[in-house]
Amino acid sequence: AQSVAQPEDQVNVAEGNPLTVKCTYSVSGNPYLFWYVQYPNRGLQFLLKYITGDNLVKGSYGFEAEFNKSQTSFHLKKPSALVSDSALYFCAVRDNGGATNKLIFGTGTLLAVQP
Amino acid sequence: EPEVTQTPSHQVTQMGQEVILRCVPISNHLYFYWYRQILGQKVEFLVSFYNNEISEKSEIFDDQFSVERPDGSNFTLKIRSTKLEDSAMYFCASSDLAISSYEQYFGPGTRLTVT
Repeated sequence: AQSVAQPEDQVNVAEGNPLTVKCTYSVSGNPYLFWYVQYPNRGLQFLLKYITGDNLVKGSYGFEAEFNKSQTSFHLKKPSALVSDSALYFCAVRDNGGATNKLIFGTGTLLAVQP
Repeated sequence: EPEVTQTPSHQVTQMGQEVILRCVPISNHLYFYWYRQILGQKVEFLVSFYNNEISEKSEIFDDQFSVERPDGSNFTLKIRSTKLEDSAMYFCASSDLAISSYEQYFGPGTRLTVT
């Protein structure tokens, strides 16, 4: 069965420091990977995706993610965190075993950026 | 920028009552989805809809649930007889047909509270 794991419930980082939010996946076939962010009382906003091509994917708000096939990981990164980056981050994978492009989400990681 | 909208933002209902959650997907999108997020848990797929029929549904999506696209713009989720465990945030999402795309765009969600 396809799955996504986000091993950290919360990540704390000081403003200006680099941040990493971890994600590992398990899929059959080629992985199609996504990161979404959820701000309080808001929906899920698409940040970036990996479908094919370069392992380093750049997305919105200065975020990027590195696809690592050997480690089955897709960690989200940002060189310099902002307080406004504080939110809930979800990693997701397309369900290759299903009939449609449904997404399977991880449990989410709360990113807290301290001023 | 086009976005997915959902109404109402919050719905409170009594157990056993019917509720209809409404969504307006992005206008040129053709795939539609409902997901839910029970408080503190991960986002779970409920159903996908394409070409006026259900493409795929999860085991959560039992006979109490139904979806409809009544007028070419709205996409609704109906729960016929709500249970306490239906209390959750319900997200609508849509995506286009481009195979190179795959990302889904989510609405802000409807918080359903069943008392």
